[in-house]
Amino acid sequence: GQNIDQPTEMTATEGAIVQINCTYQTSGFNGLFWYQQHAGEAPTFLSYNVLDGLEEKGRFSSFLSRSKGYSYLLLKELQMKDSASYLCAVRDGNAGNMLTFGGGTRLMVKP
Amino acid sequence: DTGVSQNPRHKITKRGQNVTFRCDPISEHNRLYWYRQTLGQGPEFLTYFQNEAQLEKSRLLSDRFSAERPKGSFSTLEIQRTEQGDSAMYLCASSPIGLSYPYGYTFGSGTRLTVV
Repeated sequence: GQNIDQPTEMTATEGAIVQINCTYQTSGFNGLFWYQQHAGEAPTFLSYNVLDGLEEKGRFSSFLSRSKGYSYLLLKELQMKDSASYLCAVRDGNAGNMLTFGGGTRLMVKP
Repeated sequence: DTGVSQNPRHKITKRGQNVTFRCDPISEHNRLYWYRQTLGQGPEFLTYFQNEAQLEKSRLLSDRFSAERPKGSFSTLEIQRTEQGDSAMYLCASSPIGLSYPYGYTFGSGTRLTVV
């Protein structure tokens, strides 16, 4: 089975940096994904890690340590529009590449 | 390709009625997934198809829920005798077969069901 944990809520200030952590326990690991989800909308893809290390994409970076079952999403130069839920998801290559999602971290960016 | 399409976007139904949702995946994607998401929670897996075969169903999926993908293209999710606890966003997603799809899934916009 899969178990994915991430904080429920975080608050940060516009222009600052925030790090959202995710820990997981899984079998058949085949990648970790971060999605952004605004209220009432579908998740949209942010990042993908399958090897250890940091992946950078503009203001967003994601880190993975497979040995520790740990990932984080780093958001820099926060903007008000970054207020959303951030979902950590793990892909299981032994189960049809199914994704299991954490409960999501609701980020509130304040002026 | 226009991505994953879900219809309707919103559905309000009375308790006890049956509802059916439709999902049209990206045409090249063999795998199609259904998830349910309630407010403040992450998406929960319901079922998935590889082509027309339904390969896995969650224990969350009661006997009132049924899904089909008759020709390996679009899929339908039917809920019979709806209950208020069925109120949620129903998300459909698709992906190709293969281990390296870097986006995980491509999601549709979801169908928001409200049971009154």
